[in-house]
Amino acid sequence: QMQLQESGPGLVKPSETLSLACTVSGASVHEYYWGWIRQAPGKRLEYIGFFFLSGTTNYNPSLKSPLTMSVDTSKNQVSLELKSVTAADSALYYCARLRRADYYFDVWGRGTLVTVSS
Amino acid sequence: QSALTQPASVSGSPGQSITISCSGSSSDVGTYNFVSWYQQHPDKAPKVLLYEVSHRPSGVPDRFSGSKSGSTASLTISGLQAEDEADYYCSSFSNSGSLVVFGGGTKLTVL
Repeated sequence: QMQLQESGPGLVKPSETLSLACTVSGASVHEYYWGWIRQAPGKRLEYIGFFFLSGTTNYNPSLKSPLTMSVDTSKNQVSLELKSVTAADSALYYCARLRRADYYFDVWGRGTLVTVSS
Repeated sequence: QSALTQPASVSGSPGQSITISCSGSSSDVGTYNFVSWYQQHPDKAPKVLLYEVSHRPSGVPDRFSGSKSGSTASLTISGLQAEDEADYYCSSFSNSGSLVVFGGGTKLTVL
């Protein structure tokens, strides 16, 4: 059974780079599309983007912080990097498998909380 | 890009049926059947209830059903149970930049 586990620094200073990882077990990262979704405390789900190993990506243009998604096949991990973060990037970050044919997320991690503060 | 529009809250008594609407536009719900619904209990990750408007993944009770008319999708929960109390989000494929868009979420209270 596929499981996803996000990990991250917890606390990041404003203007720094946030790096998150999502370790996939029970499947190979090169087989599927992977997405990131975040949720600020008490707020709605916000789509960040998705990535496929071939390089196919889609990023939410509404996000102010520049971002990059990638895959590390040696670690079977999916990564998310947000540059120049602000307090608005404080949220619970989820990684999830995207079913590309139907555009829905069917397997989710438990999320990792990120706070942007000096 | 605007989120899909959902009512902030709905409520119902055990055994009743409730419907949550999800209004979009011709860029998303109105044109594509890639509408999905998620249930999120407090401090838990979202769980998909429906995809492609009305398809249920394995393990989701048939009390949960979905439909779409024009640019509005709907989630209906019949035979309401206490465990259904949660937040519900709709999502859709969108052809305007961000390929996935979520609704604002609806808090369901079981009275």
